[in-house]
Amino acid sequence: DTGVSQDPRHKITKRGQNVTFRCDPISEHNRLYWYRQTLGQGPEFLTYFQNEAQLEKSRLLSDRFSAERPKGSFSTLEIQRTEQGDSAMYLCASSLSGTGYAGEQYFGPGTRLTVT
Amino acid sequence: LAKTTQPISMDSYEGQEVNITCSHNNIATNDYITWYQQFPSQGPRFIIQGYKTKVTNEVASLFIPADRKSSTLSLPRVSLSDTAVYYCLVGVLFYEKLTFGTGTRLTIIP
Repeated sequence: DTGVSQDPRHKITKRGQNVTFRCDPISEHNRLYWYRQTLGQGPEFLTYFQNEAQLEKSRLLSDRFSAERPKGSFSTLEIQRTEQGDSAMYLCASSLSGTGYAGEQYFGPGTRLTVT
Repeated sequence: LAKTTQPISMDSYEGQEVNITCSHNNIATNDYITWYQQFPSQGPRFIIQGYKTKVTNEVASLFIPADRKSSTLSLPRVSLSDTAVYYCLVGVLFYEKLTFGTGTRLTIIP
């Protein structure tokens, strides 16, 4: 257990429905990242926050995706009008900038989304 | 970002030392080399990071030659629990996004 939690762990939804995932990072971490991982591939970066500010978004994050981190604590990732291609593991990670290794992020267990 | 190349898969017997090599020919001067481990149905876990020569921690060693165009992750005396996917990442700076490749699937045989 890294201290990063994600909820739910599994989500099955029908195409066209909206889904929302939550991530609770390690409490003192100011950076929070979202990644998506499909079978047989490494995680792909989606977006990241420093405190409550969203600093970068990948081109993978289409208009149907939105992420928030109110008050710089937990974060939510919402997917609107889900498509079968959205089926993947959604991973959240956190880090504390300025300390430890620059490349060390703490990942949660992920939320596995299945769109039927 | 520097592109990395590593074997798709490797098998090894329990108790052996396992070396996974990663090529990164166009690594930049400021790039660090980082390795992550991922077990099935879990998020990746940071293993080790280095810039040059050798780095060792309680889990692994990382060997980086002088030209830094490759690196080798060494796992001493592996056990079945080391079966996982291992990712080599290059270009990690300033606590920003990580760029993963497809990794090396390591299978430990009893």
